Amino acid sequence: DGGITQSPKYLFRKEGQNVTLSCEQNLNHDAMYWYRQDPGQGLRLIYYSQIVNDFQKGDIAEGYSVSREKKESFPLTVTSAQKNPTAFYLCASSMGGTTNEKLFFGSGTQLSVL
Amino acid sequence: QKEVEQDPGPLSVPEGAIVSLNCTYSNSAFQYFMWYRQYSRKGPELLMYTYSSGNKEDGRFTAQVDKSSKYISLFIRDSQPSDSATYLCAMSEGDYKLSFGAGTTVTVRA
Repeated sequence: DGGITQSPKYLFRKEGQNVTLSCEQNLNHDAMYWYRQDPGQGLRLIYYSQIVNDFQKGDIAEGYSVSREKKESFPLTVTSAQKNPTAFYLCASSMGGTTNEKLFFGSGTQLSVL
Repeated sequence: QKEVEQDPGPLSVPEGAIVSLNCTYSNSAFQYFMWYRQYSRKGPELLMYTYSSGNKEDGRFTAQVDKSSKYISLFIRDSQPSDSATYLCAMSEGDYKLSFGAGTTVTVRA
């Protein structure tokens, strides 16, 4: 069954802690994205990667870091520098790196602060 | 002013009604227009995809794009309780970046 798998579904972060959200896809897509969703706001792009070992900052990259060591995987680390991390995080992928390619989303991770 | 404006609703309609959703935008360079459906605490799924102006129909769903007015619409005919979800509009110039509306929450009452 092809798709995008995000884990965990729920995650709690303590003050000063870094946490990592997992995203794996088996769609053989080149491009992968991380979005943040807050109530009443549209999805905002955190980071995106069009190819292995390369990634670019989106609109709200501060306090986040990513890596793209494998085509299938694009983990997101929420660092202690992100002062307002509570949100729903969505990973997405597309065949290529342009939006005339359709985006496919994972089921999301809800991150909350303890 | 936000680049994409979408009325958050919520919108509540009886089963069988026509649901009308819309978004306005300010960037005249947008060429690709999408509607996503998102069930509660799930990832969005692509519902409709349109390039440039015009209408597109897929079953009970019709998407309209009016680039001269910078206005896009989604119509759902014969709405069902299973259509209850949040609908997000999204648009792009054709590069990597999608600009999303805030989403409209729709409830279809049985």
